[in-house]
Amino acid sequence: QKEVEQNSGPLSVPEGAIASLNCTYSDRGSQSFFWYRQYSGKSPELIMFIYSNGDKEDGRFTAQLNKASQYVSLLIRDSQPSDSATYLCAVFNAGGTSYGKLTFGQGTILTVHP
Amino acid sequence: EAQVTQNPRYLITVTGKKLTVTCSQNMNHEYMSWYRQDPGLGLRQIYYSMNVEVTDKGDVPEGYKVSRKEKRNFPLILESPSPNQTSLYFCASSSPAPHTEAFFGQGTRLTVV
Repeated sequence: QKEVEQNSGPLSVPEGAIASLNCTYSDRGSQSFFWYRQYSGKSPELIMFIYSNGDKEDGRFTAQLNKASQYVSLLIRDSQPSDSATYLCAVFNAGGTSYGKLTFGQGTILTVHP
Repeated sequence: EAQVTQNPRYLITVTGKKLTVTCSQNMNHEYMSWYRQDPGLGLRQIYYSMNVEVTDKGDVPEGYKVSRKEKRNFPLILESPSPNQTSLYFCASSSPAPHTEAFFGQGTRLTVV
């Protein structure tokens, strides 16, 4: 099982719809969870991070964390064509010899079509 | 301005010719790491460093070396590059605390022919 796994893409949604991106992780000791957006050929940029169970909202973005299910998601409301990118889930390793390591999922490609 | 600077941005080289990709950060971060990114595989960690003179292997370290002689610099060395090391490389730095983000360099697109 991969340490961090994202829902397979690509994901295509119409403009104005809600895009839902999912991520599961295997290490129960993980403390923090990050969503990065990456445009083609560019470096990843942080959208949000979350560390408490529940929802965290920032503008059109909502991150959801369920530690019992080892699941984190990102919802993008009112999706825009400019949201078309690869979304990377990352998990902060808080235990053992790998403390401080960020482990990334394989990414989900999102396309928002007009 | 907080930044991570990688050089070069683009590099085409031949098999076996040693090369170094530099990475420098100005945020006094303890933690630095190198990733490679290939289509469908996300970001895979090559090496990371918790602090000066402390480095360790990531998930795909074969064929790479690193050093951390100063806190701000973390170069990636390919002693004998091969075509399967053709990839997009990113350097990142962060504080080793759970709720802090990682800052990425601009990326280096390496082609080994």
